Amino acid sequence: DVKVTQSSRYLVKRTGEKVFLECVQDMDHENMFWYRQDPGLGLRLIYFSYDVKMKEKGDIPEGYSVSREKKERFSLILESASTNQTSMYLCASSSTSGRWYEQYFGPGTRLTVT
Amino acid sequence: AQSVTQPDIHITVSEGASLELRCNYSYGATPYLFWYVQSPGQGLQLLLKYFSGDTLVQGIKGFEAEFKRSQSSFNLRKPSVHWSDAAEYFCAVGAKGNEKLTFGTGTRLTIIP
Repeated sequence: DVKVTQSSRYLVKRTGEKVFLECVQDMDHENMFWYRQDPGLGLRLIYFSYDVKMKEKGDIPEGYSVSREKKERFSLILESASTNQTSMYLCASSSTSGRWYEQYFGPGTRLTVT
Repeated sequence: AQSVTQPDIHITVSEGASLELRCNYSYGATPYLFWYVQSPGQGLQLLLKYFSGDTLVQGIKGFEAEFKRSQSSFNLRKPSVHWSDAAEYFCAVGAKGNEKLTFGTGTRLTIIP
């Protein structure tokens, strides 16, 4: 069974803390994505990685950075967490061939910044 | 730029009744269209896709969608909903060679007994 796992389901952090959200996929996918999901706004792409050490900004990259040192792992970093980054964060992966359009999602991390 | 509009934020349907969720897209070329479903506490799962050809496409869990180019729509339908269909549904648009998808804002479906 294919899997995308995220390190935490729920996370509470204080304003100004550095926050790491980890995502691991076991499907040998080339592409990995970080989305933010907010009510009424749907899914918005934060960052996209198409290969190890390669990344591309999405629609809302401000306040975030990413790291992809290994193919299976894609990390989202909040350098200095702020209350407006309280949200649900979803990680996804996809292949560059075959079913390229099918993104496999993790269960999400609900982050609260106080 | 591509975009997707889901005009209904929340829909309530009785169990056993039919369902139609609306999706309108904006895209310069022939779009690749998708519906994803997010069950409570879960990530998103692909329901169905449209690339070309037959404008009525079948998906998993008994869902279907119809592509209407003249209306720029890709509405999702199911003839008879089950309580387990309660979820949030997202329409998305993409293009071949561009792995990034643009998602709509979602429609939350509530099923009443």
